[in-house]
Amino acid sequence: DAKTTQPTSMDCAEGRAANLPCNHSTISGNEYVYWYRQIHSQGPQYIIHGLKNNETNEMASLIITEDRKSSTLILPHATLRDTAVYYCIVREAAGNKLTFGGGTRVLVKP
Amino acid sequence: NAGVTQTPKFRILKIGQSMTLQCTQDMNHNYMYWYRQDPGMGLKLIYYSVGAGITDKGEVPNGYNVSRSTTEDFPLRLELAAPSQTSVYFCASIQQGRGNQPQHFGDGTRLSIL
Repeated sequence: DAKTTQPTSMDCAEGRAANLPCNHSTISGNEYVYWYRQIHSQGPQYIIHGLKNNETNEMASLIITEDRKSSTLILPHATLRDTAVYYCIVREAAGNKLTFGGGTRVLVKP
Repeated sequence: NAGVTQTPKFRILKIGQSMTLQCTQDMNHNYMYWYRQDPGMGLKLIYYSVGAGITDKGEVPNGYNVSRSTTEDFPLRLELAAPSQTSVYFCASIQQGRGNQPQHFGDGTRLSIL
């Protein structure tokens, strides 16, 4: 079973920030939070991951709460090409598997 | 780098036929995975391998077989195709032991069983 809970869908205006929440209340101390997205049935694309600290890369920012029970993926300036299903996943650094939940279907509108 | 390459991209099978979905990676990754994705759903793990000669079952292994004779290749075999195996199949790889590396995914094989 997936260890994360995400909203089923959300809309975002083009050019605005998209904030995608994820709850992972049962996360253990050695588990990382990973974000992937899947555009139109292509293979999942890695976005970002983190353990405790907030992380930023060229694609997005990841904000993890202090108790690590939830996190938010931020797409700072959403474009139409960011329309996709976004998956939040928890995994041990040495873990073998990713467990995908249903994800959040994000629609970026002009 | 090609990354993870899957062939074929599309295939239609008749019930009872067999086929092998090919997956190869050129990143010298030790771990490889097979997932299936049904319409509107997340990915489910079928089988995975932690190195050449070692394979293990995932969440939904029934009806499938795998082998890992080389580091690069991880084929998935369907022996007796059934309509329930109509799905999109994704192969992925990762280099475990190098920190928190993300999985790399192929573009998928779309399989229909009629």
